Amino acid sequence: QLQLVESGGGVVQPGRSLRLSCAASGFTFSSYDMHWVRQAPGKGLEWVAGIWFDGSNKNYVDSVKGRFTISRDNSKNTLYLQMNSLRAEDTAVYYCARDFAAAAYFDYWGQGTLVTVSS
Amino acid sequence: DVVMTQSPLSLPVTLGQPASISCRSSQSLVSSDGNTYLNWFQQRPGQSPRRLIYRVSNRDSGVPDRFSGSGSGTDFTLEISRVEAEDVGVYYCMQGTHLYTFGQGTKLEIK
Repeated sequence: QLQLVESGGGVVQPGRSLRLSCAASGFTFSSYDMHWVRQAPGKGLEWVAGIWFDGSNKNYVDSVKGRFTISRDNSKNTLYLQMNSLRAEDTAVYYCARDFAAAAYFDYWGQGTLVTVSS
Repeated sequence: DVVMTQSPLSLPVTLGQPASISCRSSQSLVSSDGNTYLNWFQQRPGQSPRRLIYRVSNRDSGVPDRFSGSGSGTDFTLEISRVEAEDVGVYYCMQGTHLYTFGQGTKLEIK
């Protein structure tokens, strides 16, 4: 069945880097746009970044521009989020979510991976 | 940037009674292709978000028909006709017309 499984979270010091992965299965990954959405502890949802099915277009929320990079490897059915210069305010559960044809689907979500930025 | 404003932020409801959540956007969500990209999500405690409604009023497969969505332009509503215990959680609206923005969330609890 369709699955999105995030990994790569953990505790990291401010200013350091972390790379998250989202492994997809059960659907044709290369046909779908993908997103990262985060949720700080006890807070609401915040869209972080999105990438088209072929990787040709990427968008970011202003607060992560220049620090985070979304990418994908369609041969490995995997979505990535490279997070550099991490700040305390980046502490959150990071979810990957599926989209299609820029139609804001968000119809399937992973279980999330927790990133804690702390010294 | 589009701001999504939900109300109320807390919603205590008696079992079997109706519930309504409002979501207002700071600009029209009608896209250049004529579609309105407004979704509703439910997040139960300890779970990932689950999409309930897409493009304003289309209910997802497996979502009980007591959930319905309506609205247009900048004003949208999620209604639950008769609240059940399993409906406890936080509900979010999300716009996907101008990149993506979520509302603050509405916490539904049983009175």
